Amino acid sequence: QVQLQQWGAGLLKPSETLSLTCVVNGGSFSGYSWTWIRQPPGKGLEWIGEVNDSEDANYNAALRGRASISVDTSKSQASLMLSSVTAADTAVYYCTRRDRYGSGPDAFDVWGQGTMVTVSS
Amino acid sequence: EVVLTQSPATLSLSLGERATLSCRASQSVRTFLAWYQQKPGQAPRLLIYDTYNRATGIPARFSGSGSGTDFTLTISSLEPEDFTVYYCQQRTYWPLTFGGGTRVEIK
Repeated sequence: QVQLQQWGAGLLKPSETLSLTCVVNGGSFSGYSWTWIRQPPGKGLEWIGEVNDSEDANYNAALRGRASISVDTSKSQASLMLSSVTAADTAVYYCTRRDRYGSGPDAFDVWGQGTMVTVSS
Repeated sequence: EVVLTQSPATLSLSLGERATLSCRASQSVRTFLAWYQQKPGQAPRLLIYDTYNRATGIPARFSGSGSGTDFTLTISSLEPEDFTVYYCQQRTYWPLTFGGGTRVEIK
């Protein structure tokens, strides 16, 4: 059964860069779009962006160019970097996937466990 | 961006009752709408994709309908584990967006 395991720093100071990584265990990495989604405490879900294994990326313009998602297919890993963080970036960050080009659901069917990231001085 | 408005914000029902959750899009998303369930402290779980397709392992009491701008998630008979929060999400336009959620609570 495919699982996504994610990790990264949980406490940042304002202006620092958030860095999270997600690895795929027990399943294929190729053929999917790898997505990061966040959820501020007590609030709803916000799509950050996604990249496929050809490294074609799309981002939420609301993040004003601060987000960058990359993949390392040799390691079955997807990574998120978010620069110049502020308290407004405090959230649980999730990695997930969707099957845009194959026969699977074109929806977020497998999720990482989530990483709580707090931005505080 | 496409705004998804979910209603009601909170739905108070009893065990065994039928739940009807609404998701309205600010412009047509055709049938490219999904529903997720999220329990406290957990990642969301995919229930329905492309309006009416149940994801793997999802019980038949969950069903989806709609098209264009108006969509519905129906839970035919509420089980104890169904009392939690539900989100809709569209994939027609960038950025992908989610609704604000509906909480189903025990009456």
